[in-house]
Amino acid sequence: AQKVTQAQTEISVVEKEDVTLDCVYETRDTTYYLFWYKQPPSGELVFLIRRNSFDEQNEISGRYSWNFQKSTSSFNFTITASQVVDSAVYFCALRGSGTYKYIFGTGTRLKVLA
Amino acid sequence: ETGVTQTPRHLVMGMTNKKSLKCEQHLGHNAMYWYKQSAKKPLELMFVYSLEERVENNSVPSRFSPECPNSSHLFLHLHTLQPEDSALYLCASSQVGQGAGYGYTFGSGTRLTVV
Repeated sequence: AQKVTQAQTEISVVEKEDVTLDCVYETRDTTYYLFWYKQPPSGELVFLIRRNSFDEQNEISGRYSWNFQKSTSSFNFTITASQVVDSAVYFCALRGSGTYKYIFGTGTRLKVLA
Repeated sequence: ETGVTQTPRHLVMGMTNKKSLKCEQHLGHNAMYWYKQSAKKPLELMFVYSLEERVENNSVPSRFSPECPNSSHLFLHLHTLQPEDSALYLCASSQVGQGAGYGYTFGSGTRLTVV
């Protein structure tokens, strides 16, 4: 069975702090894809990153960075120097090979306080 | 317009009403999806259409009826809903097939309240 766990329901930080959102996944597929999406108050889910299972390189995009570790089945997301505009719900998702279906975590609500 | 557009943004309906949610994508994608987002629950996949054919239906009650007349439009017809059906309904599209990234583009959702 496939599963995505985001143990942090809600996190509050003060602006300019760094914050890490955790994602742990379970799958028996050898090829799979991991995603992070951001859902601001407006409702739409905004794609942030995709990582496939055979590429464990960490990635940095501006203030965002992702740490993929197959050994611990984790795909964590770090925001450096957080800003109020980062306040949103963040979802981690898993898709196995040969399927359209994403398995989403329950999301982590991030509140960045000014 | 670009991206994925959903209408209406908000809908309040009685349990005996019939209404429809509309989704339109302007990205040239060949697959479209309906997801349900309830409070404190993971997003639930309801329906998948690929090349206008329904390929997946995750045991959704028959009071929800999807329609995909072409690759750009997707509807969700609603009738005799229950209060527990109140949720945010999200439409998404993607390009599937060889070389496709399978990444979704989501719409802003329809916030449905059943009274």
